[in-house]
Amino acid sequence: EVQLVESGGGLVQPGGSLRLSCAASGFTFSSYWMHWVRQAPGKGLVWVSRINSDGSSTSYADSVKGRFTISRDNAKNTLYLQMNSLRAEDTAVYYCARPLAARPTPTAMDVWGKGTTVTVSS
Amino acid sequence: EIVLTQSPGTLSLSPGERATLSCRASQSVSSSYLAWYQQKPGQAPRLLIYGASSRATGIPDRFSGSGSGTDFTLTISRLEPEDFAVYYCQQYGSSPLYSFGQGTKLEIK
Repeated sequence: EVQLVESGGGLVQPGGSLRLSCAASGFTFSSYWMHWVRQAPGKGLVWVSRINSDGSSTSYADSVKGRFTISRDNAKNTLYLQMNSLRAEDTAVYYCARPLAARPTPTAMDVWGKGTTVTVSS
Repeated sequence: EIVLTQSPGTLSLSPGERATLSCRASQSVSSSYLAWYQQKPGQAPRLLIYGASSRATGIPDRFSGSGSGTDFTLTISRLEPEDFAVYYCQQYGSSPLYSFGQGTKLEIK
């Protein structure tokens, strides 16, 4: 079964750091780009970041650029999101998502984890 | 950056009725790289449509997508009780940025 399981969320103070993980199983993780998408309470979906299959290329939303770092360990089938200088507006459920196809072109996201909740508050 | 605007914000319909959801882009979406997702409370999004009109695996044929350029539509031909949810469009053509619409809530009338 194709599965993504996020972990690492929690309560953190403004200015703090957190590292999210996403464990992948049931597919060839190293062949796929991967994404992080977040959803603030009661709000819509916002794309956060993406990484290519070998980790050599990354992209970020302007709102997190310079503060968040996406990375992956293909040997461990795990995706990461290092979040630094956290702000209240980063409070959200963070989802990792896999594209529909294992190719180096944009595709929709067809596999999603259940999400992990990050709360930034003093 | 492409901005997607969905309408209406909320759509109130009854089971058995036809639902038409709109997604308008601020710039042309290249190669019809437009997707639709369904999200129910407390759940992750579910891919319904990609490439503007292709149904994802396991999606019932009452869901259909159409459109090109800047105007796209998701149609649900006959609403089932399980279809009441929030629907998002997403463009993935203007890489490296991927943007979502603000969502349309489909509620039971």
